[in-house]
Amino acid sequence: AQRVTQPEKLLSVFKGAPVELKCNYSYSGSPELFWYVQYSRQRLQLLLRHISRESIKGFTADLNKGETSFHLKKPFAQEEDSAMYYCALSRSGGSNYKLTFGKGTLLTVNP
Amino acid sequence: NAGVMQNPRHLVRRRGQEARLRCSPMKGHSHVYWYRQLPEEGLKFMVYLQKENIIDESGMPKERFSAEFPKEGPSILRIQQVVRGDSAAYFCASSPGQIEETQYFGPGTRLLVL
Repeated sequence: AQRVTQPEKLLSVFKGAPVELKCNYSYSGSPELFWYVQYSRQRLQLLLRHISRESIKGFTADLNKGETSFHLKKPFAQEEDSAMYYCALSRSGGSNYKLTFGKGTLLTVNP
Repeated sequence: NAGVMQNPRHLVRRRGQEARLRCSPMKGHSHVYWYRQLPEEGLKFMVYLQKENIIDESGMPKERFSAEFPKEGPSILRIQQVVRGDSAAYFCASSPGQIEETQYFGPGTRLLVL
């Protein structure tokens, strides 16, 4: 069975501070990892996926297979980054449409 | 492109009634996915449909839940004889294809069972 754990329900930082949202997963096969974000009153949207190795809105995430982690990082948080962040996993290859989500972390960036 | 549309946004039902949730995928998308988010939980996969076909319903409860995606019209998630435990947010997503395609989510339908 696949599982995604986001240990922090709430995370609060000040503007300009570094931020790291933790995500750990358990999966026996080769996973594909995602970060989704939901801003206030908006729909869930894809922030980044590990295979693309992109930096979106200053966020990066590295897949660490040894530690089974996919932490989301940003060196300097902005107020507009305040949102709910969900880490998600799917298997690579067949059935890769089936996303498994963590419970989410609510990030608040204070001025 | 208006994005994935879901209606109603909020739905209140009494125990034993039926709930019908609608999802219109993005233009050009023929793949639809339904997820359920119980309070304090992450989204959980329910079912994957293409036009007129259920591809994977492994996440659907065995009873009272059904889904369809007809040739014409929106995808429908139907919950018969609702119980309080069905209270949740139900999200629909769509993609143009399946393999490594990003899923675009709708705003969700919040179902409250009294």
